[in-house]
Amino acid sequence: DTEVTQTPKHLVMGMTNKKSLKCEQHMGHRAMYWYKQKAKKPPELMFVYSYEKLSINESVPSRFSPECPNSSLLNLHLHALQPEDSALYLCASSQAGLAAYNEQFFGPGTRLTVL
Amino acid sequence: SQQGEEDPQALSIQEGENATMNCSYKTSINNLQWYRQNSGRGLVHLILIRSNEREKHSGRLRVTLDTSKKSSSLLITASRAADTASYFCATNLMGAQKLVFGQGTRLTINP
Repeated sequence: DTEVTQTPKHLVMGMTNKKSLKCEQHMGHRAMYWYKQKAKKPPELMFVYSYEKLSINESVPSRFSPECPNSSLLNLHLHALQPEDSALYLCASSQAGLAAYNEQFFGPGTRLTVL
Repeated sequence: SQQGEEDPQALSIQEGENATMNCSYKTSINNLQWYRQNSGRGLVHLILIRSNEREKHSGRLRVTLDTSKKSSSLLITASRAADTASYFCATNLMGAQKLVFGQGTRLTINP
């Protein structure tokens, strides 16, 4: 299984809502990532988990809260978002160790709209 | 500023022609990777070239890396309509544990 799955595919939320994005992989990868991508822009790294521990936080606002409950799952909890947070949120995974030495496998993304 | 800069920003060619995209970067790297993204979808890894390699091939793809010029190119030969997508280079900086993506090239293959 070489697939990274993400749910939901689309999400519309108000600024006072709390929601979560989910990501799952069964490739045995021990590095997992969250990226944010605005239209016609490259993906921007948000968080990196290595062996279920947060290793990189790219100064992301606290209204985004990542969680890695086990080696296959990665969540992104959302609370009190702003309209400018509307974007495609991508999850990726790669083999263990230094994140960038290996190819990353991306999920299809969650299209988030904040009203 | 972005580590990777790509040109052209957009490229439109006829099916069957070759497409070349370029990526330049600013600091020393461990490796450089190319990814493809179809509209609104996730990225697909195409090829990884390490800093001590100069050229790699994968099917119709050919990637070159010139570390002295801090640049890389992606050549797609005999293009097909299905190659229509955005292509991103991504660099792994020396000592860093992350990839930094370039701005991307939007490639359109006209039938």
